[in-house]
Amino acid sequence: QKEVEQDPGPLSVPEGAIVSLNCTYSNSAFQYFMWYRQYSRKGPELLMYTYSSGNKEDGRFTAQVDKSSKYISLFIRDSQPSDSATYLCAMSPIYNQGGKLIFGQGTELSVKP
Amino acid sequence: ETGVTQSPTHLIKTRGQQVTLRCSSQSGHNTVSWYQQALGQGPQFIFQYYREEENGRGNFPPRFSGLQFPNYSSELNVNALELDDSALYLCASSSSSGITADTQYFGPGTRLTVL
Repeated sequence: QKEVEQDPGPLSVPEGAIVSLNCTYSNSAFQYFMWYRQYSRKGPELLMYTYSSGNKEDGRFTAQVDKSSKYISLFIRDSQPSDSATYLCAMSPIYNQGGKLIFGQGTELSVKP
Repeated sequence: ETGVTQSPTHLIKTRGQQVTLRCSSQSGHNTVSWYQQALGQGPQFIFQYYREEENGRGNFPPRFSGLQFPNYSSELNVNALELDDSALYLCASSSSSGITADTQYFGPGTRLTVL
């Protein structure tokens, strides 16, 4: 069993839809949870990070962490075609300690105009 | 402020050969991490270098090795290439105390194909 599980999709939604992306994990030591966005032929870029449980909002993006269920989510409101990319969840016990981030498989998102 | 750059963009090698990939860190960053991303998968951590010393390693064999130079640029070397080494190789730079680090900024990657 992988430490981090993420539905690979692909996920296709119409412009303006609310998108929900999710990851589950097995290691209870994880404390830092991150979401990266990766466009085709590009490296991942950090969207949001959250420490421990709770919600964090940044514009159209909301990250949620439920440590009791070992479940994290990223919500995208009013989705735009420019949001079309692969979204990767990543986590670590201590923020970036030793550089070792554990990534999910990535979910490919397509937002249709 | 310049971002993370990697070279070459693409590379084709034959099984058994050796390859060197290069990474130039973002200005002011003293730490570089390397990841392997197979097609359709998330990145997997290979190792990290902090101030020219290896500072953490993932589950990769010794034929994967690295270097970090005084200007904080870095190399990833892979010996005795295998078909399964075909992947996108990403480097990420960050500013670190050696224990924890700030956000990792990724380069665009080098696409390696092993035939």
